[in-house]
Amino acid sequence: EAGVVQSPRYKIIEKKQPVAFWCNPISGHNTLYWYLQNLGQGPELLIRYENEEAVDDSQLPKDRFSAERLKGVDSTLKIQPAELGDSAVYLCASSSGGANEQYFGPGTRLTVT
Amino acid sequence: AQSVTQPDIHITVSEGASLELRCNYSYGATPYLFWYVQSPGQGLQLLLKYFSGDTLVQGIKGFEAEFKRSQSSFNLRKPSVHWSDAAEYFCAVGALKEGSRLTFGEGTQLTVNP
Repeated sequence: EAGVVQSPRYKIIEKKQPVAFWCNPISGHNTLYWYLQNLGQGPELLIRYENEEAVDDSQLPKDRFSAERLKGVDSTLKIQPAELGDSAVYLCASSSGGANEQYFGPGTRLTVT
Repeated sequence: AQSVTQPDIHITVSEGASLELRCNYSYGATPYLFWYVQSPGQGLQLLLKYFSGDTLVQGIKGFEAEFKRSQSSFNLRKPSVHWSDAAEYFCAVGALKEGSRLTFGEGTQLTVNP
């Protein structure tokens, strides 16, 4: 069974440019998460989807970050415009049940210059 | 609000030695507890989890963890460390219902000396 797929794996952009990350969850997983992981820290939840609905986006900086999950499968996380402080790893995870057992993708490492 | 503390930022052990990584949590109800491992450039892999029942849980790769409610702890142990165990380890606490957010600790970086 394929795991959570993320692309790109690495992205380097200049500040003020837009950037987008894509995530394909494990087949059949209805819950999808985006996490932000700063260097030397644990992941922090940005947004959680149940199917197409964003049910927990309280930690998402909505002035510059947006996300969507069309048809309840793939998801895209966007930053516009990017700032230097956005440099981090963006992790996607999915879950089908079993009380919070989440499966993580390899992440996208973003560098903003 | 839930929180997790991993007191040790970095631990170094010799190959073959025993290992214990500490985790303390704060949560107002019965927690779900997890240990994940992250190798460089990789996502997080679940080592083990505690939901209820037996407080000593077994995981993959020879790891185990013990839930101690009185101490609000969920320490990870391995009797004999292998060089391939070098990685970063994260403890996390979650709520009972499906889909609730996980709160992670800041991680413990494990170095294994030959």
